[in-house]
Amino acid sequence: QKEVEQDPGPLSVPEGAIVSLNCTYSNSAFQYFMWYRQYSRKGPELLMYTYSSGNKEDGRFTAQVDKSSKYISLFIRDSQPSDSATYLCAMISNTGNQFYFGTGTSLTVIP
Amino acid sequence: DAGVTQSPTHLIKTRGQQVTLRCSPISGHKSVSWYQQVLGQGPQFIFQYYEKEERGRGNFPDRFSARQFPNYSSELNVNALLLGDSALYLCASSRRLGEETQYFGPGTRLLVL
Repeated sequence: QKEVEQDPGPLSVPEGAIVSLNCTYSNSAFQYFMWYRQYSRKGPELLMYTYSSGNKEDGRFTAQVDKSSKYISLFIRDSQPSDSATYLCAMISNTGNQFYFGTGTSLTVIP
Repeated sequence: DAGVTQSPTHLIKTRGQQVTLRCSPISGHKSVSWYQQVLGQGPQFIFQYYEKEERGRGNFPDRFSARQFPNYSSELNVNALLLGDSALYLCASSRRLGEETQYFGPGTRLLVL
C-alpha cells in the first residue's frame, strides 16, 4: 500500500465550477499536509499547508484535513482556466525528513 | 529574492554515462532535498541535506549520490545511467530540517537514450 493515494484523474470542469481534490494516507504519523500546483514542465508550486484537522482558507482555495479518517481535500471555488494544472498533495511527519507525494490529479478548467 | 535555481534545464545522455545536476537554494535556506519525478507520477524523494550532511535517503540505488557545499548549494550525481533514469529531477529548499514548507526549483529534465 502506498503511503499516499491520490486519484490521478484527469478531471475536467467548466469555468466557475467548484473543484474537489482528495488524498488519503496510511501513516498516522503524518502531521503536516501540503498542496502543490504543477504546471506542465514546471516545478511544483506550494499552494497551501496545514497541520491540524479542520479547514484553512486562502482566497478561492480551501484545504481540509480529517486526521481521524486520514483524508485531506483541496477545494477550488470559482475555478478559472488558469487553474488548469496538476495538483499534488504532500505530507510529512513531525519527526521525518521525507515528503511523501501523491501521484497528482490533472485538472482542466474549460472556458 | 530569487527562488530555487537548477542547472542545466535539459540534458540528454546515453546509457552508462554519468550526470551531475546542480541546485542553488533560496537565500537563507539551509536544507536541500532532491526528488525524481517520472512522467505521470508524483515526486519521489531521493536525498535530503542539511548543513552539508545527509539527513535522509529514499529508496534509490547507490548509483545516486549527492553533496551539499558550504554555501548550501547542492549537486546530485547519477552514475551508470539507465533508460529508467529519464525523469524530471527536482530540487527543493527549506529554512530548516523537517520544515513543512519546501520550495521547488523548475527542475532538470534528463533524457537517457
